[in-house]
Amino acid sequence: GAVVSQHPSRVICKSGTSVKIECRSLDFQATTMFWYRQFPKQSLMLMATSNEGSKATYEQGVEKDKFLINHASLTLSTLTVTSAHPEDSSFYICSARARGGERDGYTFGSGTRLTVV
Amino acid sequence: KQEVTQIPAALSVPEGENLVLNCSFTDSAIYNLQWFRQDPGKGLTSLLLIQSSQREQTSGRLNASLDKSSGRSTLYIAASQPGDSATYLCAVVGNQFYFGTGTSLTVIP
Repeated sequence: GAVVSQHPSRVICKSGTSVKIECRSLDFQATTMFWYRQFPKQSLMLMATSNEGSKATYEQGVEKDKFLINHASLTLSTLTVTSAHPEDSSFYICSARARGGERDGYTFGSGTRLTVV
Repeated sequence: KQEVTQIPAALSVPEGENLVLNCSFTDSAIYNLQWFRQDPGKGLTSLLLIQSSQREQTSGRLNASLDKSSGRSTLYIAASQPGDSATYLCAVVGNQFYFGTGTSLTVIP
């Protein structure tokens, strides 16, 4: 089945630095990728939607200059947390939708646990 | 805006019991509904996907039903095992993906 590889799985960084998270679709072309954030004991919240070759669409309250999303190819999307602060510590998950669209469901990455110290 | 609610928020059962997790959503205009499992600190594992035209899907000990008109889905787990302990999330797909709040399941050996 469809597989999405997300790296790194865990990252600890110092406050003020930037962190890049990669999400790759291994055996299918992902026309759309989604990035989610999950704080402890809360549900997943959509941060942004990215379509290959175009700018990402951010959800209300998500700073686009802080969370840079690049979807340069049909198999790779990256999320860069710029100038990270402790309040950015969270669990980040990507998901991808294949060319078939909504009816084919979504495949999720394994997530990245970001800790900003 | 679509709202997805899961009841109960937490559930603890002895091993071997059958159990039902509930998911309700406010907007019936959905493409499909998915049930996921999430282990602590881990990503999501897709369990079952039900298309909007379908009523149920089965995989092993899991059975998920969908009643779009009433905005409800249930996940039935038969003969629960300690390894089933996890958080179960339902998500509906409309014009975007909406997650429920999750049910934390503990199966006691």
